[in-house]
Amino acid sequence: GEQVEQLPSILRVQEGSSASINCTYENSASNYFPWYKQEPGENPKLIIDIRSNMERKQTQGLIVLLDKKAKRFSLHITDTQPGDSAMYFCAARLSGSFNKLTFGAGTRLAVCP
Amino acid sequence: GPKVLQIPSHQIIDMGQMVTLNCDPVSNHLYFYWYKQILGQQMEFLVNFYNGKVMEKSKLFKDQFSVERPDGSYFTLKIQPTALEDSAVYFCASSLVRASAETLYFGSGTRLTVL
Repeated sequence: GEQVEQLPSILRVQEGSSASINCTYENSASNYFPWYKQEPGENPKLIIDIRSNMERKQTQGLIVLLDKKAKRFSLHITDTQPGDSAMYFCAARLSGSFNKLTFGAGTRLAVCP
Repeated sequence: GPKVLQIPSHQIIDMGQMVTLNCDPVSNHLYFYWYKQILGQQMEFLVNFYNGKVMEKSKLFKDQFSVERPDGSYFTLKIQPTALEDSAVYFCASSLVRASAETLYFGSGTRLTVL
């Protein structure tokens, strides 16, 4: 199986600064790492993902890094805005599974004006 | 974007009763999933389903749980009988294929309260 640890559980940042969320996983056979954003009462939405053949991916103010040796991956939100306030979940998927994602416990991000 | 609809959004039932949670997946998707989220905790995988069959299930998918999608209608999760520890938000998801990096689209969840 797989276990995913996610830290911090709560993150408060000033608008315009960057925010970083870190996740670690246990099983080196995991090969796919998506990040989901969930706003209150809404469904989780995929915001960015990274495969195990990459170390870095960037899109629209989001950067994900993957360190396979350390079994660690992270999400960095640059130039945060109030609209970035939400719950963020990292996840890992074991190679060969039917898209069975193991999620982290979530990070509540609050961007303060 | 693609939408997964879940009905109802809230359900309150007495312990021991049966409940059916309904999911209308994205129209051309072939793989379906249920995840369970207890308040304040992470989503946990319950089961995935393809071509009329359960492909994988977790230890959370107890004998009282069952899933089906009769004739392309709703993908359902049935719990019979329910227990207090079944109280949670249940998220349905769907994907087109099971490729190595296929996006899961989640519904908004059904909040189940077992009294």
